[in-house]
Amino acid sequence: DQQVKQNSPSLSVQEGRISILNCDYTNSMFDYFLWYKKYPAEGPTFLISISSIKDKNEDGRFTVFLNKSAKHLSLHIVPSQPGDSAVYFCAARTGANNLFFGTGTRLTVIP
Amino acid sequence: DTEVTQTPKHLVMGMTNKKSLKCEQHMGHRAMYWYKQKAKKPPELMFVYSYEKLSINESVPSRFSPECPNSSLLNLHLHALQPEDSALYLCASSRDRGGQETQYFGPGTRLLVL
Repeated sequence: DQQVKQNSPSLSVQEGRISILNCDYTNSMFDYFLWYKKYPAEGPTFLISISSIKDKNEDGRFTVFLNKSAKHLSLHIVPSQPGDSAVYFCAARTGANNLFFGTGTRLTVIP
Repeated sequence: DTEVTQTPKHLVMGMTNKKSLKCEQHMGHRAMYWYKQKAKKPPELMFVYSYEKLSINESVPSRFSPECPNSSLLNLHLHALQPEDSALYLCASSRDRGGQETQYFGPGTRLLVL
């Protein structure tokens, strides 16, 4: 059972525009959420996280929004750059338990 | 420094071989993890070590044997693998297993079992 879902396998965005990557989860006990970025043949790189007590966290061009009532989080990248082209995974956990990953969204930023 | 290193980068082995994957971090992290990732799938947790003790084994077959010789090193010993075990094996570490701790990943070892 996939507890964390990324329903869009791919997304293409023009350079300079906003990229919005979405993630839905089913387990209401998740209290910590993370976004990772992955280039081919490399391990996931941590981007940004958010605790369930917040609804927004911002770090430079990256902002994560959490809507607990909808069990939905999103990652906004603005402005998008060609170097942002990668696969983005959202992940969630409860307490000290396992990290559950979504299936990933491949972002392509077109110059 | 948030670096986790893994060796080798690539490994090809036969079904009768014995090999080991190595992972190292010098961030003082006390939790270390092995994940397996197949193509177009998310990483799947295999093992968790916390303070050098195995705390989670996600029903992984015994042909995979983890070892944590000290707080900086994590090994995965491989023996009698099957072709379906071919995947990217990722190591990660975090300060501890606390809920708000971020896991940092290594680059992975791409394993091909023939």
